[in-house]
Amino acid sequence: ETGVTQSPTHLIKTRGQQVTLRCSSQSGHNTVSWYQQALGQGPQFIFQYYREEENGRGNFPPRFSGLQFPNYSSELNVNALELDDSALYLCASSPGQMDYGYTFGSGTRLTVV
Amino acid sequence: GDSVTQMEGPVTLSEEAFLTINCTYTATGYPSLFWYVQYPGEGLQLLLKATKADDKGSNKGFEATYRKETTSFHLEKGSVQVSDSAVYFCALSTPGGATNKLIFGTGTLLAVQP
Repeated sequence: ETGVTQSPTHLIKTRGQQVTLRCSSQSGHNTVSWYQQALGQGPQFIFQYYREEENGRGNFPPRFSGLQFPNYSSELNVNALELDDSALYLCASSPGQMDYGYTFGSGTRLTVV
Repeated sequence: GDSVTQMEGPVTLSEEAFLTINCTYTATGYPSLFWYVQYPGEGLQLLLKATKADDKGSNKGFEATYRKETTSFHLEKGSVQVSDSAVYFCALSTPGGATNKLIFGTGTLLAVQP
């Protein structure tokens, strides 16, 4: 079975720009969560999607938004990028919204300059 | 709110030494507890978990016991190897919400020297 695939692996953007990060969930998983991991910190929960609906959100502003598609892949969009948005963005899929059997992707390293 | 506190690193050990990484938590309700490992350039991998008090999670020689009375979930391994060098994250998830979100500690870097 395939794992979680994220693209791109690295990205450099300028402050004020917009970015879209992509995630393909593991086969059979219908739930996708996104986490932000700043350098030297633990991952912070951004939001979760279950069957194409956002069903939970962490302490992140509305300029962080997402989508989940019918094949359960997902996108994370960030508008009006700020320097503090520089981080590793991790996608995790699981078989259900309350299932702890997560599979994490390797992440997208976003640098905002 | 719910939180996880881990001992700060880096932890530097010689091969075959005993490892302990401390983790304590604060949570409402009865959380499930996890240890994740992150190797350089990779995502997180679940190392072990425990879902109720006094449960012991174990995997690849690592183990941790869910201690409700001390709100702790310390990670231990009897004999570390160079290949264990990585960042270790303690995490919890509290039931009752609409999601299975994880709350992580800040991570502990383990460096094992030959």
